[in-house]
Amino acid sequence: NAGVMQNPRHLVRRRGQEARLRCSPMKGHSHVYWYRQLPEEGLKFMVYLQKENIIDESGMPKERFSAEFPKEGPSILRIQQVVRGDSAAYFCASSPLSESKETQYFGPGTRLLVL
Amino acid sequence: GQNIDQPTEMTATEGAIVQINCTYQTSGFNGLFWYQQHAGEAPTFLSYNVLDGLEEKGRFSSFLSRSKGYSYLLLKELQMKDSASYLCAVSDSNYQLIWGAGTKLIIKP
Repeated sequence: NAGVMQNPRHLVRRRGQEARLRCSPMKGHSHVYWYRQLPEEGLKFMVYLQKENIIDESGMPKERFSAEFPKEGPSILRIQQVVRGDSAAYFCASSPLSESKETQYFGPGTRLLVL
Repeated sequence: GQNIDQPTEMTATEGAIVQINCTYQTSGFNGLFWYQQHAGEAPTFLSYNVLDGLEEKGRFSSFLSRSKGYSYLLLKELQMKDSASYLCAVSDSNYQLIWGAGTKLIIKP
């Protein structure tokens, strides 16, 4: 049973370009969470999605950031017109259920570097 | 507001015991998680506590006191591979995980 998969593992973009980060949850998991982590800092919640629904996007910046989890295919975190401050590790986690004690399982992360 | 506090960094000796504390103030409580994160890697699940008391899993144990808003992770017989950050996270009334900044544990020979 494959774990949570994220790609790319590393992404380099110039300021103003777009970054697309992909996350495939574990088999049987229908809930996806995106987190951002700056060096030497903790995880910051960004958005929580179920298939075709955004449940909670309270942690996501209002501009330039968007997320989706379509019926088919991976969840996508999209950052438009990237700036240097967007450089961070972006982790995706998945769980089978939300209103329970279900553990979140993390992908390996995408490390975004904005030049 | 919601707040999770844990020490920024701790140092311990190989073979010894270390206790990493976590205090929390959240809107509601649906359990507390401990995760381990090695540098440059993803967090991995260690333990979950929702009732008061001690849960033991091999060399690692986790304790919870809901009345005090307090938990600790106890690591015994420390090994060099235990050098990592240890993240405390609380599930709030909406079942959203609120994360601490993590405790960087340095193990010395």
